[in-house]
Amino acid sequence: GESVGLHLPTLSVQEGDNSIINCAYSNSASDYFIWYKQESGKGPQFIIDIRSNMDKRQGQRVTVLLNKTVKHLSLQIAATQPGDSAVYFCAENMSGGSNYKLTFGKGTLLTVNP
Amino acid sequence: DADVTQTPRNRITKTGKRIMLECSQTKGHDRMYWYRQDPGLGLRLIYYSFDVKDINKGEISDGYSVSRQAQAKFSLSLESAIPNQTALYFCATSDGSYNEQFFGPGTRLTVL
Repeated sequence: GESVGLHLPTLSVQEGDNSIINCAYSNSASDYFIWYKQESGKGPQFIIDIRSNMDKRQGQRVTVLLNKTVKHLSLQIAATQPGDSAVYFCAENMSGGSNYKLTFGKGTLLTVNP
Repeated sequence: DADVTQTPRNRITKTGKRIMLECSQTKGHDRMYWYRQDPGLGLRLIYYSFDVKDINKGEISDGYSVSRQAQAKFSLSLESAIPNQTALYFCATSDGSYNEQFFGPGTRLTVL
């Protein structure tokens, strides 16, 4: 079946370093991808999205890269801060007709050490 | 003010009891979703609704039912709760464009 997965379940970085969180997807028909951040005790929060007609999109301190050839998505966080500590999920839009549903990966726990 | 609210935030119940989780949104979105989150399994879709007259099963709908009372309200029911339904439940909404979903704060449900 179709799936969205993560290469690393946990990532520990030093404050100030850059972080890279990876995600693999298997459906070549997916046309929209989102990264979410979930802090302890809270619901997932939107970070950044990218459509399949793009290979890079930048936000504030975050960049998402999409490599459709190898079906790989990454989230780069620049100058990681303690407040970035959270679980990060990638999500894939498996569009088909009018059914725009998201499928989520299992998440990567990012820990930022001061 | 929160755009997506869920009640209750925490609930402990016993096996066999009927439980209803409620979700309300002020975003004016047509689409609403219910997910459950379990450690190591990520978010899994239970039910979704694209408008008031549209209800669809997600990947894990067995043991659950939903009601879309209005555009702004979408409730999830467990008719007879069982312990393996202990989880964190999230409601989400989207406006139906490229499907960015906005999540509520979650309901932690424990079934004893």
